[in-house]
Amino acid sequence: DAKTTQPNSMESNEEEPVHLPCNHSTISGTDYIHWYRQLPSQGPEYVIHGLTSNVNNRMASLAIAEDRKSSTLILHRATLRDAAVYYCILRVGAGGTSYGKLTFGQGTILTVHP
Amino acid sequence: SQTIHQWPATLVQPVGSPLSLECTVEGTSNPNLYWYRQAAGRGLQLLFYSVGIGQISSEVPQNLSASRPQDRQFILSSKKLLLSDSGFYLCAWSVNGRGGTEAFFGQGTRLTVV
Repeated sequence: DAKTTQPNSMESNEEEPVHLPCNHSTISGTDYIHWYRQLPSQGPEYVIHGLTSNVNNRMASLAIAEDRKSSTLILHRATLRDAAVYYCILRVGAGGTSYGKLTFGQGTILTVHP
Repeated sequence: SQTIHQWPATLVQPVGSPLSLECTVEGTSNPNLYWYRQAAGRGLQLLFYSVGIGQISSEVPQNLSASRPQDRQFILSSKKLLLSDSGFYLCAWSVNGRGGTEAFFGQGTRLTVV
Protein backbone atom coordinates (compact mmCIF):
# COMPACT_ATOMS: atom_id res chain seq x y z
CA ASP A 1 0.00 0.00 0.00
CA ALA A 2 1.17 3.50 -0.74
CA LYS A 3 2.21 5.30 2.44
CA THR A 4 2.17 8.87 3.64
CA THR A 5 4.72 10.82 5.68
CA GLN A 6 3.74 13.72 7.94
CA PRO A 7 5.59 15.77 10.55
CA ASN A 8 4.91 14.56 14.07
CA SER A 9 3.77 17.95 15.30
CA MET A 10 3.21 21.56 14.28
CA GLU A 11 2.27 24.72 16.11
CA SER A 12 0.32 27.75 15.08
CA ASN A 13 -1.14 30.89 16.54
CA GLU A 14 -4.83 31.58 16.53
CA GLU A 15 -6.14 33.47 13.48
CA GLU A 16 -3.06 32.58 11.43
CA PRO A 17 -3.00 30.23 8.43
CA VAL A 18 -1.66 26.71 8.90
CA HIS A 19 -0.07 24.59 6.21
CA LEU A 20 0.10 20.89 7.04
CA PRO A 21 2.33 18.94 4.64
CA CYS A 22 2.09 15.34 3.54
CA ASN A 23 4.44 13.34 1.36
CA HIS A 24 3.15 10.38 -0.64
CA SER A 25 5.86 9.65 -3.19
CA THR A 26 4.54 6.13 -4.00
CA ILE A 27 1.01 7.27 -4.79
CA SER A 28 -0.64 5.49 -7.69
CA GLY A 29 -2.86 6.99 -10.34
CA THR A 30 -6.08 5.76 -8.72
CA ASP A 31 -5.28 6.83 -5.14
CA TYR A 32 -7.34 9.61 -3.64
CA ILE A 33 -5.74 11.89 -1.06
CA HIS A 34 -7.89 12.21 2.07
CA TRP A 35 -7.48 14.27 5.21
CA TYR A 36 -9.13 13.56 8.54
CA ARG A 37 -8.72 15.08 11.94
CA GLN A 38 -9.28 13.66 15.39
CA LEU A 39 -10.11 15.55 18.54
CA PRO A 40 -9.28 13.95 21.90
CA SER A 41 -11.53 11.00 22.80
CA GLN A 42 -13.50 11.28 19.56
CA GLY A 43 -13.60 9.41 16.29
CA PRO A 44 -11.86 10.96 13.27
CA GLU A 45 -13.72 13.58 11.28
CA TYR A 46 -13.49 13.96 7.53
CA VAL A 47 -11.87 17.21 6.41
CA ILE A 48 -11.31 17.11 2.67
CA HIS A 49 -10.17 14.93 -0.21
CA GLY A 50 -8.92 15.25 -3.76
CA LEU A 51 -7.47 13.36 -6.69
CA THR A 52 -5.54 15.75 -8.92
CA SER A 53 -6.91 19.26 -8.62
CA ASN A 54 -6.82 21.59 -5.65
CA VAL A 55 -9.99 21.47 -3.55
CA ASN A 56 -11.74 23.93 -1.26
CA ASN A 57 -14.54 23.41 1.22
CA ARG A 58 -15.88 25.19 4.27
CA MET A 59 -13.28 23.62 6.55
CA ALA A 60 -10.06 23.81 4.58
CA SER A 61 -8.24 23.79 1.25
CA LEU A 62 -6.19 20.98 -0.24
CA ALA A 63 -3.27 21.81 -2.48
CA ILE A 64 -1.98 18.85 -4.51
CA ALA A 65 1.41 18.94 -6.18
CA GLU A 66 1.44 18.57 -9.94
CA ASP A 67 3.22 15.20 -9.69
CA ARG A 68 0.83 14.19 -6.85
CA LYS A 69 3.73 13.09 -4.68
CA SER A 70 2.86 15.58 -1.99
CA SER A 71 -0.06 17.63 -0.75
CA THR A 72 -0.76 20.37 1.77
CA LEU A 73 -3.81 20.88 3.93
CA ILE A 74 -4.43 24.58 4.48
CA LEU A 75 -6.43 25.95 7.38
CA HIS A 76 -6.92 29.57 6.44
CA ARG A 77 -7.44 30.95 9.95
CA ALA A 78 -6.65 28.58 12.76
CA THR A 79 -8.90 28.58 15.79
CA LEU A 80 -8.46 26.84 19.12
CA ARG A 81 -11.03 24.29 17.99
CA ASP A 82 -8.70 23.26 15.16
CA ALA A 83 -6.23 21.77 17.63
CA ALA A 84 -6.29 18.07 16.75
CA VAL A 85 -4.34 15.24 15.14
CA TYR A 86 -4.48 15.56 11.36
CA TYR A 87 -4.17 12.46 9.22
CA CYS A 88 -3.25 12.33 5.55
CA ILE A 89 -4.44 9.10 3.95
CA LEU A 90 -4.38 7.54 0.50
CA ARG A 91 -7.54 5.67 -0.50
CA VAL A 92 -7.52 3.24 -3.37
CA GLY A 93 -10.10 4.05 -6.01
CA ALA A 94 -12.58 1.53 -7.35
CA GLY A 95 -10.97 -1.48 -8.93
CA GLY A 96 -7.74 -1.37 -6.96
CA THR A 97 -6.55 -4.59 -5.35
CA SER A 98 -6.98 -3.07 -1.90
CA TYR A 99 -10.13 -1.13 -2.66
CA GLY A 100 -12.11 -0.19 0.41
CA LYS A 101 -9.06 -0.21 2.63
CA LEU A 102 -8.52 2.90 4.72
CA THR A 103 -5.21 2.96 6.59
CA PHE A 104 -4.18 5.74 8.96
CA GLY A 105 -0.62 6.80 9.74
CA GLN A 106 0.56 8.55 12.90
CA GLY A 107 -0.64 11.96 11.80
CA THR A 108 0.43 15.48 12.77
CA ILE A 109 -0.45 16.89 16.16
CA LEU A 110 -1.51 20.49 15.62
CA THR A 111 -1.26 22.84 18.59
CA VAL A 112 -2.94 26.23 18.30
CA HIS A 113 -1.82 28.98 20.66
CA PRO A 114 -4.19 31.75 21.69
CA SER B 1 -29.42 10.75 6.41
CA GLN B 2 -26.88 8.14 7.31
CA THR B 3 -25.92 7.43 10.91
CA ILE B 4 -23.57 5.02 12.60
CA HIS B 5 -24.22 3.52 16.02
CA GLN B 6 -21.54 1.98 18.15
CA TRP B 7 -21.93 0.67 21.66
CA PRO B 8 -21.14 0.57 24.47
CA ALA B 9 -19.23 3.81 24.99
CA THR B 10 -17.07 2.41 27.76
CA LEU B 11 -16.39 -1.12 28.90
CA VAL B 12 -14.27 -2.66 31.64
CA GLN B 13 -13.65 -6.37 31.25
CA PRO B 14 -11.48 -8.87 33.15
CA VAL B 15 -8.66 -10.71 31.42
CA GLY B 16 -9.91 -13.93 29.86
CA SER B 17 -13.49 -12.76 29.44
CA PRO B 18 -15.22 -12.63 26.03
CA LEU B 19 -15.91 -9.47 24.07
CA SER B 20 -18.58 -8.41 21.63
CA LEU B 21 -18.77 -4.89 20.23
CA GLU B 22 -21.51 -4.06 17.79
CA CYS B 23 -21.74 -1.42 15.11
CA THR B 24 -24.73 -0.67 12.91
CA VAL B 25 -25.20 1.78 10.08
CA GLU B 26 -28.48 3.34 9.02
CA GLY B 27 -29.53 5.11 5.86
CA THR B 28 -27.28 3.37 3.36
CA SER B 29 -26.84 -0.04 1.81
CA ASN B 30 -23.84 -2.24 1.03
CA PRO B 31 -21.36 0.02 2.83
CA ASN B 32 -17.68 -0.66 3.42
CA LEU B 33 -17.28 -1.27 7.15
CA TYR B 34 -14.17 -0.92 9.31
CA TRP B 35 -12.93 -1.68 12.82
CA TYR B 36 -9.99 0.29 14.20
CA ARG B 37 -8.15 0.26 17.51
CA GLN B 38 -6.26 3.15 19.00
CA ALA B 39 -3.91 2.56 21.90
CA ALA B 40 -3.27 5.46 24.25
CA GLY B 41 -1.37 8.26 22.54
CA ARG B 42 -1.00 6.39 19.23
CA GLY B 43 -2.50 6.35 15.76
CA LEU B 44 -5.41 4.30 14.50
CA GLN B 45 -4.67 0.69 13.65
CA LEU B 46 -6.93 -0.90 11.06
CA LEU B 47 -8.08 -4.26 12.42
CA PHE B 48 -10.70 -5.47 9.96
CA TYR B 49 -12.59 -4.18 6.97
CA SER B 50 -15.46 -5.57 4.98
CA VAL B 51 -16.74 -4.76 1.50
CA GLY B 52 -19.79 -7.07 1.73
CA ILE B 53 -21.72 -9.55 3.85
CA GLY B 54 -19.45 -12.39 4.92
CA GLN B 55 -16.38 -10.71 3.37
CA ILE B 56 -13.90 -9.85 6.10
CA SER B 57 -10.30 -8.78 5.59
CA SER B 58 -8.01 -9.01 8.59
CA GLU B 59 -5.10 -6.62 8.76
CA VAL B 60 -3.13 -7.90 11.73
CA PRO B 61 -2.91 -11.25 13.50
CA GLN B 62 -4.45 -10.86 16.90
CA ASN B 63 -6.80 -12.05 19.54
CA LEU B 64 -9.84 -10.59 17.79
CA SER B 65 -12.26 -11.58 15.07
CA ALA B 66 -14.94 -9.77 13.10
CA SER B 67 -18.20 -10.78 11.50
CA ARG B 68 -20.76 -9.14 9.27
CA PRO B 69 -24.00 -11.09 9.71
CA GLN B 70 -26.11 -8.43 8.03
CA ASP B 71 -25.42 -5.76 5.42
CA ARG B 72 -25.20 -2.91 7.92
CA GLN B 73 -24.00 -4.73 11.01
CA PHE B 74 -20.36 -5.26 11.94
CA ILE B 75 -19.33 -7.13 15.09
CA LEU B 76 -15.93 -7.29 16.76
CA SER B 77 -15.37 -10.27 19.06
CA SER B 78 -12.86 -12.00 21.23
CA LYS B 79 -13.12 -15.32 23.05
CA LYS B 80 -10.59 -14.38 25.72
CA LEU B 81 -9.42 -10.82 26.27
CA LEU B 82 -5.79 -9.94 26.95
CA LEU B 83 -4.47 -6.88 28.76
CA SER B 84 -3.05 -5.71 25.43
CA ASP B 85 -6.56 -5.56 23.98
CA SER B 86 -7.23 -2.39 25.96
CA GLY B 87 -7.78 0.65 23.78
CA PHE B 88 -10.22 2.86 21.95
CA TYR B 89 -12.20 0.90 19.35
CA LEU B 90 -13.77 2.71 16.45
CA CYS B 91 -16.20 1.54 13.80
CA ALA B 92 -16.51 3.36 10.49
CA TRP B 93 -18.32 3.10 7.18
CA SER B 94 -17.94 4.47 3.68
CA VAL B 95 -19.67 4.15 0.34
CA ASN B 96 -18.65 0.87 -1.27
CA GLY B 97 -16.24 0.80 -4.16
CA ARG B 98 -15.40 4.47 -4.35
CA GLY B 99 -12.11 5.77 -3.06
CA GLY B 100 -13.25 9.32 -3.51
CA THR B 101 -15.87 9.29 -0.78
CA GLU B 102 -15.45 10.08 2.87
CA ALA B 103 -15.61 7.68 5.79
CA PHE B 104 -17.83 8.25 8.79
CA PHE B 105 -16.79 7.19 12.26
CA GLY B 106 -18.73 6.17 15.31
CA GLN B 107 -18.07 7.67 18.71
CA GLY B 108 -15.95 4.71 19.78
CA THR B 109 -15.80 2.26 22.67
CA ARG B 110 -13.14 2.68 25.30
CA LEU B 111 -12.21 -0.80 26.46
CA THR B 112 -10.16 -1.39 29.57
CA VAL B 113 -9.06 -4.94 30.29
CA VAL B 114 -8.17 -5.47 33.93
